[in-house]
Amino acid sequence: AQTVTQSQPEMSVQEAETVTLSCTYDTSESDYYLFWYKQPPSRQMILVIRQEAYKQQNATENRFSVNFQKAAKSFSLKISDSQLGDAAMYFCAPHSGGSNYKLTFGKGTLLTVNP
Amino acid sequence: DTGVSQDPRHKITKRGQNVTFRCDPISEHNRLYWYRQTLGQGPEFLTYFQNEAQLEKSRLLSDRFSAERPKGSFSTLEIQRTEQGDSAMYLCASSLEDRGQIFGPGTRLTVL
Repeated sequence: AQTVTQSQPEMSVQEAETVTLSCTYDTSESDYYLFWYKQPPSRQMILVIRQEAYKQQNATENRFSVNFQKAAKSFSLKISDSQLGDAAMYFCAPHSGGSNYKLTFGKGTLLTVNP
Repeated sequence: DTGVSQDPRHKITKRGQNVTFRCDPISEHNRLYWYRQTLGQGPEFLTYFQNEAQLEKSRLLSDRFSAERPKGSFSTLEIQRTEQGDSAMYLCASSLEDRGQIFGPGTRLTVL
């Protein structure tokens, strides 16, 4: 079974600064996808960024980027120029491989953005 | 199409009652997933449909749980003889192949 570890239960960052959220996972698959999702308080899960494991280039979406280290099974999320609206629970979610694409979620990191 | 919708958003029921939740995915998405999320945890996979076929069920899905997706469109999740341990947020997500799952707002179930 796939396991996902988010070792930082909580993080805080000052507005306009940069923060990195860590994630490690365990999988026996060679071809898979990885995702970061954001869940604001009492609001629905939002897809932040997607990485394909066979691509060496790290994915970037505006202020969000990842550092994907396939051999180390590490998939961290960097948020640049943090904004108050970035405050949320962030979940790392690799897909399990195979054709079903189901996601395995970590326990999440609660990000606080201080003005 | 404005995204994945779920109904109801909140459901309070008494132990032993049956409940049914509905999910309407994004219309062109062929894959539909159900997850369960308890407080302080990430979502856990329950079941998955590709079009109308239910292709995988988690062992979390006891025989009191049943899901359908008739005609490959909307899906329903039914829980029979609810127990207090069933209290959770039930999330539906849809996707087009491997493009990333889009989640609905969830149905929060409280079993008294």
